[in-house]
Amino acid sequence: AQKITQTQPGMFVQEKEAVTLDCTYDTSDPSYGLFWYKQPSSGEMIFLIYQGSYDQQNATEGRYSLNFQKARKSANLVISASQLGDSAMYFCAMRGRGQNFVFGPGTRLSVLP
Amino acid sequence: DAMVIQNPRYQVTQFGKPVTLSCSQTLNHNVMYWYQQKSSQAPKLLFHYYDKDFNNEADTPDNFQSRRPNTSFCFLDIRSPGLGDAAMYLCATSRDRGFGETQYFGPGTRLLVL
Repeated sequence: AQKITQTQPGMFVQEKEAVTLDCTYDTSDPSYGLFWYKQPSSGEMIFLIYQGSYDQQNATEGRYSLNFQKARKSANLVISASQLGDSAMYFCAMRGRGQNFVFGPGTRLSVLP
Repeated sequence: DAMVIQNPRYQVTQFGKPVTLSCSQTLNHNVMYWYQQKSSQAPKLLFHYYDKDFNNEADTPDNFQSRRPNTSFCFLDIRSPGLGDAAMYLCATSRDRGFGETQYFGPGTRLLVL
């Protein structure tokens, strides 16, 4: 069975600083995708970044990067230069072949001015 | 812009009174999903359509039904809402069901049951 673990229920970061949100996963399938979503208080789930299990390089999208360590089964999200608008819930998710998404419990990030 | 649209954004219903939530997409994606999300929890998949094929999750109560009359639209019907059904309902789409296929979500409908 696939499982996502996010060990940080809540995180604080100072505006303009970088922050890392942890995500570890468990799967026996060699083919899988890893996703990060942001959910502000409005409720919409916003797709941020994707990493495939066969991708050699870490994914980057603007201020977001994914620190993918396959042997350790971790897929941490790094947000550089935090902004007040980054305050939200962040979900790590994975998808295996023929499988539905599995979401982690989420991390609530608060950016302090 | 291509997008996933949910109406209404807020829905108030009475205990036991049937309610329908709607979702539409302009992405022309094959797969449409319905999730239930309660406060401070991860989304929970209720069911999904792959084209016209309906796929129900084993633990989805019979009280929840869905219809997909065409590629663009998908509906969630709650036949007899209980207080425990108050939640955010999220619709999502993906082009296909491969492991690399991203799901794109609508803004959600917050359901309140009185």
